[in-house]
Amino acid sequence: NAGVTQTPKFQVLKTGQSMTLQCAQDMNHNSMYWYRQDPGMGLRLIYYSASEGTTDKGEVPNGYNVSRLNKREFSLRLESAAPSQTSVYFCASSEAGALKQYFGPGTRLTVT
Amino acid sequence: SQELEQSPQSLIVQEGKNLTINCTSSKTLYGLYWYKQKYGEGLIFLMMLQKGGEEKSHEKITAKLDEKKQQSSLHITASQPSHAGIYLCGAGDNYGQNFVFGPGTRLSVLP
Repeated sequence: NAGVTQTPKFQVLKTGQSMTLQCAQDMNHNSMYWYRQDPGMGLRLIYYSASEGTTDKGEVPNGYNVSRLNKREFSLRLESAAPSQTSVYFCASSEAGALKQYFGPGTRLTVT
Repeated sequence: SQELEQSPQSLIVQEGKNLTINCTSSKTLYGLYWYKQKYGEGLIFLMMLQKGGEEKSHEKITAKLDEKKQQSSLHITASQPSHAGIYLCGAGDNYGQNFVFGPGTRLSVLP
């Protein structure tokens, strides 16, 4: 099993560009999460999906959209990137109702 | 909303020394999770504590949750360079909606 995979690993964008971060898990988990990690701020929840077909906002959802494409995949989209969105983005998954999360390796995004 | 604080912010110890990292919650915890993050990588689950007074151990790492379920400690015995990384505590409700992480404790172990 690959666990949680994320693509790309690195990305540089210019202000105003758009992109989608991809995440997939092969553990048949119902719940999936997107976090961003910034120095001094720790990990903050952007969006989460409790199950296929549902998504909910987390602590810092502004400037992002998500799509739970199917049970395996949960994508994060930046429609118009801003320098404040420079961060490391982590995707995670867990079984329904359980909070032991399995994390992907992260995507390091720089917006210039 | 729930907030988690961790202390110390960073820690440098000599190999073989014991150390403790603390995590304090502003509210009673439903469950407390400890994760480790190696530099530049994703988080790895270490332990989960749910009951007041609970204590769990894995190899040389022991985690405890106090009786009031508002404070947890992570203790490493005879530290090794492989223990180096960032340790984060996390907590949330049963549904994951309000899951939050502490700011992390950066541990360096000098050989």
